[in-house]
Amino acid sequence: AQTVTQSQPEMSVQEAETVTLSCTYDTSESDYYLFWYKQPPSRQMILVIRQEAYKQQNATENRFSVNFQKAAKSFSLKISDSQLGDAAMYFCAYRSASGGTSYGKLTFGQGTILTVHP
Amino acid sequence: SQTIHQWPATLVQPVGSPLSLECTVEGTSNPNLYWYRQAAGRGLQLLFYSVGIGQISSEVPQNLSASRPQDRQFILSSKKLLLSDSGFYLCAWSAVEQFFGPGTRLTVL
Repeated sequence: AQTVTQSQPEMSVQEAETVTLSCTYDTSESDYYLFWYKQPPSRQMILVIRQEAYKQQNATENRFSVNFQKAAKSFSLKISDSQLGDAAMYFCAYRSASGGTSYGKLTFGQGTILTVHP
Repeated sequence: SQTIHQWPATLVQPVGSPLSLECTVEGTSNPNLYWYRQAAGRGLQLLFYSVGIGQISSEVPQNLSASRPQDRQFILSSKKLLLSDSGFYLCAWSAVEQFFGPGTRLTVL
């Protein structure tokens, strides 16, 4: 079974600075997807970024980028020019790319609470 | 575009009362659907998933049940609520990634 580990329960950053959230995962599969979700105080789960394991290029979405290290099974999220609205809990998630019994289920990490200081 | 709705947004129920939470998806056909529960400040626990009408798989034995009477409707139920059923309930549908509804905050007193 796959596991996802976020070793940082809490992180903080100053507004306009850069912060990196860590995520490691364990899998025996070669084809999969990785995601970062953001959950602000409203508790709505918002997809931040997605990475396909077969792609060597790291995904980027505006101020959000990932550092995907497949051999190390590491998938960190970098937030540049942090804004007050980035304050949220961030979840890393894994999904198998194979069909069969995975049914699109996600395996989530425990979450990292990000505080942004003005 | 696809949208996902959940209701009610907030619910306060006494112990032993029944429960029905509803989730509907628009703009897609035959989606995989999921119910999660989240305790305050904690991660997401997958409760049920469904790959089609009438097809329900349970991930965790518990006091809850789920049903999918229509292609884009997913219902979470209980005959008798327990205090431990309190939490934030999220419904999701998946393409490659999962897209989540706004959630229902359930308090059992």
